Amino acid sequence: AQRVTQPEKLLSVFKGAPVELKCNYSYSGSPELFWYVQYSRQRLQLLLRHISRESIKGFTADLNKGETSFHLKKPFAQEEDSAMYYCALSGLAAGNKLTFGGGTRVLVKP
Amino acid sequence: ETGVTQSPTHLIKTRGQQVTLRCSSQSGHNTVSWYQQALGQGPQFIFQYYREEENGRGNFPPRFSGLQFPNYSSELNVNALELDDSALYLCASSLQGGSYGYTFGSGTRLTVV
Repeated sequence: AQRVTQPEKLLSVFKGAPVELKCNYSYSGSPELFWYVQYSRQRLQLLLRHISRESIKGFTADLNKGETSFHLKKPFAQEEDSAMYYCALSGLAAGNKLTFGGGTRVLVKP
Repeated sequence: ETGVTQSPTHLIKTRGQQVTLRCSSQSGHNTVSWYQQALGQGPQFIFQYYREEENGRGNFPPRFSGLQFPNYSSELNVNALELDDSALYLCASSLQGGSYGYTFGSGTRLTVV
């Protein structure tokens, strides 16, 4: 069965500092990995997906199949990055359903 | 282009009652998934519908059921409500496969008392 683990419940960093959110997964097959973000009082929204290899709002994430990880990174955190972040996995073997991690709350202090 | 809309936004029900939640998918999306998000946890997959048929189900009992209509909108029905059913219920739509990601609604907050 597929599983997504986000070991940190809360990350607190100062503005301008780097931030890294960890995500590890278990999956049989070729996974599709996503990061979703939920800002205060807003709906869950897609931040980025591994297949597009894009950088959104300064965030990047690299899929490491050897370590089964998909960590999210940003070199210089901004106050507007304060939000709840969820790592999620999908794929054909999972029937294309999304399996979410427990989430990491990021707090960027001024 | 419209996003995913869910109704109602909030709902209070008594244990043992039945509830129906509704979802309109984003324009152009043919797949609808439902998730349950308990407080402090990530969303948990309930089931998914494609072309009006269920094509995936998570670890939820049969009293959780759903429908998808020809216009791709969907309903989630929960019978014999239990206190633990209190949660935020999220609907997400996508193109089949979901490789481009899923678009989520704002959710329905269900409280069972």
